[in-house]
Amino acid sequence: EAGVAQSPRYKIIEKRQSVAFWCNPISGHATLYWYQQILGQGPKLLIQFQNNGVVDDSQLPKDRFSAERLKGVDSTLKIQPAKLEDSAVYLCASAGLGTEAFFGQGTRLTVV
Amino acid sequence: AQSVTQPDIHITVSEGASLELRCNYSYGATPYLFWYVQSPGQGLQLLLKYFSGDTLVQGIKGFEAEFKRSQSSFNLRKPSVHWSDAAEYFCAVGPNNNAGNMLTFGGGTRLMVKP
Repeated sequence: EAGVAQSPRYKIIEKRQSVAFWCNPISGHATLYWYQQILGQGPKLLIQFQNNGVVDDSQLPKDRFSAERLKGVDSTLKIQPAKLEDSAVYLCASAGLGTEAFFGQGTRLTVV
Repeated sequence: AQSVTQPDIHITVSEGASLELRCNYSYGATPYLFWYVQSPGQGLQLLLKYFSGDTLVQGIKGFEAEFKRSQSSFNLRKPSVHWSDAAEYFCAVGPNNNAGNMLTFGGGTRLMVKP
């Protein structure tokens, strides 16, 4: 079974630029999450989708972050404009009915 | 609000020695509990999970964890550590109405293994 796919693996941008990350969940998984993991910390949930609807985005900084999952499969997370403090690993995870979350390898973002 | 505390930021053990990583949680009801491991540059891999039933759960790679409701703890153990176990370990909790529900993670414990 293929795992959660994320791209790119690494991204370096200057502050105030825009960036987008892509996630392809495990086939059949209705639930998709985006987590932010700052160096030295545990992952923090940014947003949870159930199919193409948002379940929880209470911790998403909506002034600069946006996410979508238009067809209930792939998802994109965008940051516009980026700040230095956005430097982190962005993890995507998916879950099926009654299963735990499976994580992708993440995208490491460096904002300079 | 739910929270997870991993009191030990770093732990160093000798190869072959036993290991215990501590995890304490704060939650209004009995949560689902998880331990994940993260190797450098990698995503999170599930080691084990507790949903209900037997409070001692077995996981992959020889790990086990014990849920102690009275202590709000879910400590991870391994009787004999291998050099390949060096990684960062995260304890997490989630609501017990859906296994896939959003997780709250602890800050992690970095394990180093001495030869």
